[in-house]
Amino acid sequence: GDSVTQMEGPVTLSEEAFLTINCTYTATGYPSLFWYVQYPGEGLQLLLKATKADDKGSNKGFEATYRKETTSFHLEKGSVQVSDSAVYFCALRSPGANSKLTFGKGITLSVRP
Amino acid sequence: DSGVTQTPKHLITATGQRVTLRCSPRSGDLSVYWYQQSLDQGLQFLIQYYNGEERAKGNILERFSAQQFPDLHSELNLSSLELGDSALYFCASSPQGALATDTQYFGPGTRLTVL
Repeated sequence: GDSVTQMEGPVTLSEEAFLTINCTYTATGYPSLFWYVQYPGEGLQLLLKATKADDKGSNKGFEATYRKETTSFHLEKGSVQVSDSAVYFCALRSPGANSKLTFGKGITLSVRP
Repeated sequence: DSGVTQTPKHLITATGQRVTLRCSPRSGDLSVYWYQQSLDQGLQFLIQYYNGEERAKGNILERFSAQQFPDLHSELNLSSLELGDSALYFCASSPQGALATDTQYFGPGTRLTVL
């Protein structure tokens, strides 16, 4: 079945540091890939997505590239801010009738001033 | 604001009780999904409805049921509650139902505490 593996957390960075959060997946067919973010006390918000191989999703300075050859969708940001502190979830959605989102465990990012 | 609304925001109840969680999807979205977020299980898909009909089932217990009404809002019913049912329950909606490229938009969640 489908699965998503995220790197272990939590991650603590200083403001303006470079961020990479690893995500790899297992899926049948050609899934769409997503990063969702959950700020403290809030629901999940879509951060970015990519729907086919080599697509790059980007939003708010975050980027992720759909790499089919390595089954990865790593999230990067060149310079993090304190306001980026949140939980980040990688997710996939395979085509078909049961097109649920399969989530990774999530990783908590804390950015200190 | 995603446009998906959920009520109530918080719910505290006792073991053995029954509760109903409500979700209104974004305007125009036909699909509604329910997810459970707990510390030990993470985010788990429960069930999906599309235009009033059940489309897919995930790890939903038999004590739980859901429905989608003609106005497309959905309710998740949880009965014979146990301590382990304490979790954050999210509703999400999307325009269609089976397209992998469809984005699911999440509501703010209902936090259920079973005492």
